[in-house]
Amino acid sequence: GAVVSQHPSWVICKSGTSVKIECRSLDFQATTMFWYRQFPKQSLMLMATSNEGSKATYEQGVEKDKFLINHASLTLSTLTVTSAHPEDSSFYICSAEDITSGPDTQYFGPGTRLTVL
Amino acid sequence: RKEVEQDPGPFNVPEGATVAFNCTYSNSASQSFFWYRQDCRKEPKLLMSVYSSGNEDGRFTAQLNRASQYISLLIRDSKLSDSATYLCVVNKDNQGGKLIFGQGTELSVKP
Repeated sequence: GAVVSQHPSWVICKSGTSVKIECRSLDFQATTMFWYRQFPKQSLMLMATSNEGSKATYEQGVEKDKFLINHASLTLSTLTVTSAHPEDSSFYICSAEDITSGPDTQYFGPGTRLTVL
Repeated sequence: RKEVEQDPGPFNVPEGATVAFNCTYSNSASQSFFWYRQDCRKEPKLLMSVYSSGNEDGRFTAQLNRASQYISLLIRDSKLSDSATYLCVVNKDNQGGKLIFGQGTELSVKP
């Protein structure tokens, strides 16, 4: 099946620093990737849709200047959490849409656990 | 009303039991439906897509009722390894592939 990787798997940083998370589709090309956030005991919340070669579209309430998304190639999207604060601590998960597997079929990366001190 | 709503859990069942999960969705324009499972501190993994005619994959059976906007998942002969959180997932609309996740129902299968 389709494989999506994320790096790093976990990161601890000081408040005010920026953190970059990479999402790669390893064995398929993805024109569309998605970024989610999951807080403890809650479900995944879609943050933004990452489109190869164009600007990302953000869900309501998600600050685009704080969560910078770049989708420079068909296999790589990056999410940068700028000036991270403790309230940004969460589990960030990306997914990539594999249109050859059926409509709306997304495969998820293993997630990145961010802790901001 | 939540866009996707699931049974509150947790479900604690003995090995071999049959367990059913229910889910309702609010957007009648949704066209794609899925069940994912998520293990603790891991990413969601696709369990199965749900089709209008109903579909089965081994011990797992999924049903969809578009008129009632209702989705179900039945697990027969449950195994210890079935313990996880089960997520009902619906596409937001017919454009762009956005998925909406239910809050999940936790299943714990005991020996």
